[in-house]
Amino acid sequence: EAGVAQSPRYKIIEKRQSVAFWCNPISGHATLYWYQQILGQGPKLLIQFQNNGVVDDSQLPKDRFSAERLKGVDSTLKIQPAKLEDSAVYLCASSLYTDTQYFGPGTRLTVL
Amino acid sequence: GNSVTQMEGPVTLSEEAFLTINCTYTATGYPSLFWYVQYPGEGLQLLLKATKADDKGSNKGFEATYRKETTSFHLEKGSVQVSDSAVYFCALSDGVTGGGNKLTFGTGTQLKVEL
Repeated sequence: EAGVAQSPRYKIIEKRQSVAFWCNPISGHATLYWYQQILGQGPKLLIQFQNNGVVDDSQLPKDRFSAERLKGVDSTLKIQPAKLEDSAVYLCASSLYTDTQYFGPGTRLTVL
Repeated sequence: GNSVTQMEGPVTLSEEAFLTINCTYTATGYPSLFWYVQYPGEGLQLLLKATKADDKGSNKGFEATYRKETTSFHLEKGSVQVSDSAVYFCALSDGVTGGGNKLTFGTGTQLKVEL
């Protein structure tokens, strides 16, 4: 069974630029999550989708971050404009109707 | 709100030593508890989980017991190997049923195993 796929794996941008990350969850998983992991910290949930609806986006900085999940499968997370403090690893995870989440390899973002 | 507290690292051990990584939690309701492992350059992998009090999760020689009375979920392994070197995260879910559960993570504990 294929795991959660993410791209790109690495991205370097300058502050005030925009960037987008892509995630393809495990086939059949209804729930998709985006986490932000700052160096030395545990992952923090940014947004949770169930199918193509948002379940929780309480910690998403909505002035600069946006996310969508078209057709309830793939998802994109966008940052516009980026700030230095957005440097982190962005993790995508998916789950079936259980509480076990499976994580992708992550996208490491560096904002200069 | 929910929170998870882990012992700070790095933890450095010799191969075949006994490992304990402490984890305590604060939560309302009846959370499930997890240990995830992150190897260098990789994403998080589920190591083990427990869904109710007194359950013991185990995998690859690691084990942890859900202790409701002490709100703890300490990770143990009897004999570590160099290949166990990684960052270990304790986490809890918020106990909401159906549709996936939000995870709250600890800050992670780095384990280094030397020959």
